[in-house]
Amino acid sequence: GAGVSQSPSNKVTEKGKDVELRCDPISGHTALYWYRQSLGQGLEFLIYFQGNSAPDKSGLPSDRFSAERTGGSVSTLTIQRTQQEDSAVYLCASSPWGGITDTQYFGPGTRLTVL
Amino acid sequence: GNSVTQMEGPVTLSEEAFLTINCTYTATGYPSLFWYVQYPGEGLQLLLKATKADDKGSNKGFEATYRKETTSFHLEKGSVQVSDSAVYFCALSEEEAAGNKLTFGGGTRVLVKP
Repeated sequence: GAGVSQSPSNKVTEKGKDVELRCDPISGHTALYWYRQSLGQGLEFLIYFQGNSAPDKSGLPSDRFSAERTGGSVSTLTIQRTQQEDSAVYLCASSPWGGITDTQYFGPGTRLTVL
Repeated sequence: GNSVTQMEGPVTLSEEAFLTINCTYTATGYPSLFWYVQYPGEGLQLLLKATKADDKGSNKGFEATYRKETTSFHLEKGSVQVSDSAVYFCALSEEEAAGNKLTFGGGTRVLVKP
C-alpha cells in the first residue's frame, strides 16, 4: 500500500516568506507526527496529532510554526516569516494508534532552504 | 527529560566485519526502543524494535537487546555488507501526557567498504 507522502520534496524560499509543507499519512493511521532533521540539531520532534484530541505542540520552536490536521488525515505545517535557521528537512510520520509500541512510518521529507 | 546517546561516527568497516553501535538512554518510565536506518537518498525506516526489558529485536541480520539494568540497546550485526552503509538512529518512545513522540540519538554513519 501507499506510504506516507510529503510535498513538495524541495522548497527554496527567501527569508521572511511564509511556507506550507504538506503530509499525507498512511490511510487509517490515527497518529501523525512532524519532526525536523538538521545538521546542528539532529532529529527533533515538532508536533503530534492523535485522532480528534488537541495536538501536542510542545516541540514547536517558535510561534512562527503552526500545524493543522484536517479531517483526521492530511496535515499542513506552516512556517511564517521564515528564517535561515529554519533550513532543514521536515519529516512527517504516521502510526496506527499512537501507542508507545507503535512503529512510526516516515515520509521522504521536504528539504527547506531559506536564503 | 528523555534522552538517547549513541556513539558518534563515522564508523568505517570492511565487508564481513562485525558491527556494534552503542546506544544508551535515559527515561523516567518504561520506554519502547527502536533502531531506525536511513540509507543514502532514502527516508527513515524502522530496522527493529523492542518494547520491554530483555526483548530482542532482529531484522536483516541486525539484533539489539533491551537491557533495562544498563539502560542500553546496542545494535549488532555479525557480518556487514556494502549495502549496510547508512546512518543508524537509536530512538525511544515513552508515553507522556499528550503523546508518545520519538526521542532520537544523534545518528551514527556507517560506511562498509568492499
